[in-house]
Amino acid sequence: SQKIEQNSEALNIQEGKTATLTCNYTNYSPAYLQWYRQDPGRGPVFLLLIRENEKEKRKERLKVTFDTTLKQSLFHITASQPADSATYLCAPYSGSARQLTFGSGTQLTVLP
Amino acid sequence: NAGVTQTPKFRVLKTGQSMTLLCAQDMNHEYMYWYRQDPGMGLRLIHYSVGEGTTAKGEVPDGYNVSRLKKQNFLLGLESAAPSQTSVYFCASGSMADYGYTFGSGTRLTVV
Repeated sequence: SQKIEQNSEALNIQEGKTATLTCNYTNYSPAYLQWYRQDPGRGPVFLLLIRENEKEKRKERLKVTFDTTLKQSLFHITASQPADSATYLCAPYSGSARQLTFGSGTQLTVLP
Repeated sequence: NAGVTQTPKFRVLKTGQSMTLLCAQDMNHEYMYWYRQDPGMGLRLIHYSVGEGTTAKGEVPDGYNVSRLKKQNFLLGLESAAPSQTSVYFCASGSMADYGYTFGSGTRLTVV
């Protein structure tokens, strides 16, 4: 069955450092993969989408890579800030009707 | 522009009671989705719709029904609530032109 694993449930880093979150998937061949941010008590917010033919995508301090051979996506936040503290979800596209299956997320805490 | 609005925000039900959760979007999106989110389980798809008058089952549809009589509304019904349905429910919508989903703020449901 299809499976998504996000590296760890919680990740703590120091302000100013680069945070790297990992998303591994199995039994998938996703055409694209999305990353979302979720704050406590709120719905997820879309951040970035990367397609299978794209190696890397950037948006401001965010960078996403997509390695279809390794079946892995990496999500980087450079020059991290305490305001970046949240849970980050990866979601490979699967099936029809644009159904997204979500990983359980990595809770990132940026320490001042 | 409200985006995706979910009502109610909180609800407590007794086992066996029924209720309907309402999702409304004002972005003219074709696709709408209902997810539930439980600790450690991530977001799981309950039902989805690819257009007005259509619905389909997701990963965990048992005990739920849905209807999409109008393009902007997607209703989730619990026929006979069970404690296992205690969860946070999120509605999301998406368009054919924009791959990112827009989520509502969630409904926290407790079944006692």
